[in-house]
Amino acid sequence: DSGVTQTPKHLITATGQRVTLRCSPRSGDLSVYWYQQSLDQGLQFLIQYYNGEERAKGNILERFSAQQFPDLHSELNLSSLELGDSALYFCASSISGANVLTFGAGSRLTVL
Amino acid sequence: AQSVTQLDSQVPVFEEAPVELRCNYSSSVSVYLFWYVQYPNQGLQLLLKYLSGSTLVKGINGFEAEFNKSQTSFHLRKPSVHISDTAEYFCAVSDGPGNTGKLIFGQGTTLQVKP
Repeated sequence: DSGVTQTPKHLITATGQRVTLRCSPRSGDLSVYWYQQSLDQGLQFLIQYYNGEERAKGNILERFSAQQFPDLHSELNLSSLELGDSALYFCASSISGANVLTFGAGSRLTVL
Repeated sequence: AQSVTQLDSQVPVFEEAPVELRCNYSSSVSVYLFWYVQYPNQGLQLLLKYLSGSTLVKGINGFEAEFNKSQTSFHLRKPSVHISDTAEYFCAVSDGPGNTGKLIFGQGTTLQVKP
């Protein structure tokens, strides 16, 4: 157990729908990162939050959004889902910009 | 912009043989370098990291890597692999001190250890 908790572990939904993925960082970690892992794109950085504020943005689609709440948990919202959004979504956390990221087990999203 | 190239997508090797997984990076600033391992149906686990100091870095499970600034490489090595080392290995780079800390990953190398 890495200490980073992601829910749900698996999610199957239909095109056009909206889902929310949740991440609880390790105790004491202030930064949360979201990554998407797919066969064709590999591990892509989506977005980072630090203590509630957006810190860095990567290849995140406009249909996707995220936020970090006062208790430091984070949610990634995916809307108007397409088949190509099927992927493994990882959350990671770190103390600050300390660079050593601890990853959760991932949420596997299947869009049918 | 930073980037990472893992030169081999798959590396088959027999048990107890040595292995090297190759990684080259591109960055205009000082970097931190990492190797992560992903076992089937699991998340990523940190194997080792280079932040500063000695260019030879030792990690978990008998792995080590050498930072070579002139060749912009960070190859991962293990002198004798086990069946249990079969996994996907990712090299990653971040943009050093004072920055966001986000990691940019290579495409991964699948290590297949055969009996």
